[in-house]
Amino acid sequence: QVQLQESGPGLVKTSETLSLTCTVSGDSISTFYWAWIRQPPGKGLEWIGYIYYSGRPNYNPSLKSRLTISADRSRDQISLKMNTVTATDTAVYYCARLNRYNWVHWALEIWGQGILVTVSS
Amino acid sequence: DIQMTQSPSSLSASVGDRVTITCRASQDIDNYLAWFQQKKGRAPRSLIFGASSLHSGVPSKFSGSRSGTQFTLTITSLQPEDFATYYCQQYYNYPWTFGQGTKVEIK
Repeated sequence: QVQLQESGPGLVKTSETLSLTCTVSGDSISTFYWAWIRQPPGKGLEWIGYIYYSGRPNYNPSLKSRLTISADRSRDQISLKMNTVTATDTAVYYCARLNRYNWVHWALEIWGQGILVTVSS
Repeated sequence: DIQMTQSPSSLSASVGDRVTITCRASQDIDNYLAWFQQKKGRAPRSLIFGASSLHSGVPSKFSGSRSGTQFTLTITSLQPEDFATYYCQQYYNYPWTFGQGTKVEIK
């Protein structure tokens, strides 16, 4: 059974870099694409980006200048780095397995439990 | 960016009811639409992709349909475990965008 577990600091200072890791168990990251999504407290969902282990990441343009998503196949981990954070980046961050059905339908299939990251001075 | 507008924002329903949630896209997105269920304090659960294809393990009480740029999620015979917030999401264009959510509450 595939499981995704997000990890990282729960508190990040304003203007610093948010760094999170998603550890995949029960599968190899080379089999699927992997996405990051976030959800500010009490609000809706926002797509951050996705990556295939051997390809270039695809980022949300509104966040692109501050983002780095990477994959470590040897550890079956996906990482997210977001620099120059502000209070508006406070959110629950989820990683999710992304499947591509018939080469056209992108489906967020399995989600991690999420990790709350608070940005504060 | 493509705007996804859900209606209603919330609804009250009783156990056994049939519930319909609507999601309208600001432009044509073909059938590149997904639905998610999220219970309070939990991660979203994927229900549907391709507007009407159920993910493995999702009961057939959930169904999705499309009419032009309007999409519908229908839940038949509402059960206590179905009370949650539901989101639609388009993946026709980047950035992928979500609706604002529809909260289904117990009447």
